Amino acid sequence: AQSVAQPEDQVNVAEGNPLTVKCTYSVSGNPYLFWYVQYPNRGLQFLLKYITGDNLVKGSYGFEAEFNKSQTSFHLKKPSALVSDSALYFCAVRDSAAGNMLTFGGGTRLMVKP
Amino acid sequence: GAGVSQSPSNKVTEKGKDVELRCDPISGHTALYWYRQSLGQGLEFLIYFQGNSAPDKSGLPSDRFSAERTGGSVSTLTIQRTQQEDSAVYLCASSPTLVQRGEQFFGPGTRLTVL
Repeated sequence: AQSVAQPEDQVNVAEGNPLTVKCTYSVSGNPYLFWYVQYPNRGLQFLLKYITGDNLVKGSYGFEAEFNKSQTSFHLKKPSALVSDSALYFCAVRDSAAGNMLTFGGGTRLMVKP
Repeated sequence: GAGVSQSPSNKVTEKGKDVELRCDPISGHTALYWYRQSLGQGLEFLIYFQGNSAPDKSGLPSDRFSAERTGGSVSTLTIQRTQQEDSAVYLCASSPTLVQRGEQFFGPGTRLTVL
């Protein structure tokens, strides 16, 4: 079975500092990995995905994520956080061997303080 | 272009009543998905459609839940005899095809409150 873990319920960073939101996964086949962001009272917005190729994936709003197969991780990063980045972030995985279900992590609330 | 839309945005109902939640996917998207977002439960996959067909209904939490899609477009999620534990935000998403590599586009959700 596929699963995703986001070990931190909340991450606090100061504006201008780098941020990391952690994600680890478990699959049987190859992982297809996604990051989504949710602003208050809004649906989820796609940020970026890893399918194959370069381990460093660049996405929307200056975010990037690094796929690490040996550590089964896909951490979300940004070099310089903005207050407007404050939101709920979800990591998700699809298992190439397991069909079309997308499994989400529990979410991490990012708080960026001025 | 227009994104995924859902209606109503908020629904308050009494325990035991039936509710219908509607999803309009992005035009031309053949795949449609329903999720439930509950406090303390994260995002839970419910069901997906490829065209009008739902190959796997095992994610639906009970037989009180059903979903249909007509014309390869609009989908309705129906909850019969609602219970308080059904209170959640119900999210719909669509994608151009049923491809594992593709991202999904989410609607704003319907917040269901069962009193």
